[in-house]
Amino acid sequence: KAGVTQTPRYLIKTRGQQVTLSCSPISGHRSVSWYQQTPGQGLQFLFEYFSETQRNKGNFPGRFSGRQFSNSRSEMNVSTLELGDSALYLCASSKEQSSYNEQFFGPGTRLTVL
Amino acid sequence: KQEVTQIPAALSVPEGENLVLNCSFTDSAIYNLQWFRQDPGKGLTSLLLIQSSQREQTSGRLNASLDKSSGRSTLYIAASQPGDSATYLCAVTPMEYGNKLVFGAGTILRVKS
Repeated sequence: KAGVTQTPRYLIKTRGQQVTLSCSPISGHRSVSWYQQTPGQGLQFLFEYFSETQRNKGNFPGRFSGRQFSNSRSEMNVSTLELGDSALYLCASSKEQSSYNEQFFGPGTRLTVL
Repeated sequence: KQEVTQIPAALSVPEGENLVLNCSFTDSAIYNLQWFRQDPGKGLTSLLLIQSSQREQTSGRLNASLDKSSGRSTLYIAASQPGDSATYLCAVTPMEYGNKLVFGAGTILRVKS
């Protein structure tokens, strides 16, 4: 059974540009969450989608947005990139709507903003 | 606001030693607690999931305990090996709508051969 996949694995952008990251959950999983990991702030929750609806959102500016498609794949978009957006972006999937479920993470997308 | 703390921040032990990693959280209203492993530059690998109604979970050389009332969890690693070297993260799912993990800063473990 394939795990969570994320594309691309590495990205280099310049300030002011926008970027779209993609996440494909484990087959049969309908919940997808996104996290940002930086050396200074650690792992921080961005948002979660279930059945194409955003269920929960972290404390990030509106430049960070996401969506989920009917096949449960999810995309995350960051507009007007800033140097501080350089980070490892991780997505996680879980099977059901219940918050009791185990979450499985992908390998991440390493974003560098120059 | 839920906060998760992990102690120690870093740990270096000789191969074969048994060790304990600590995790504490400020709000006992959680659905579960999950321990992860992260190798440098990689994603997170789930090690153990403990539901709020459980006291402990075991997988191979790993044993995790949960004391929800005191806001504490421990991860016990038996007979450590160099391959156990990684960052270990604990995370809780707060009792609010949706799946959201709140992470600690992690413990960097180095097992010397």
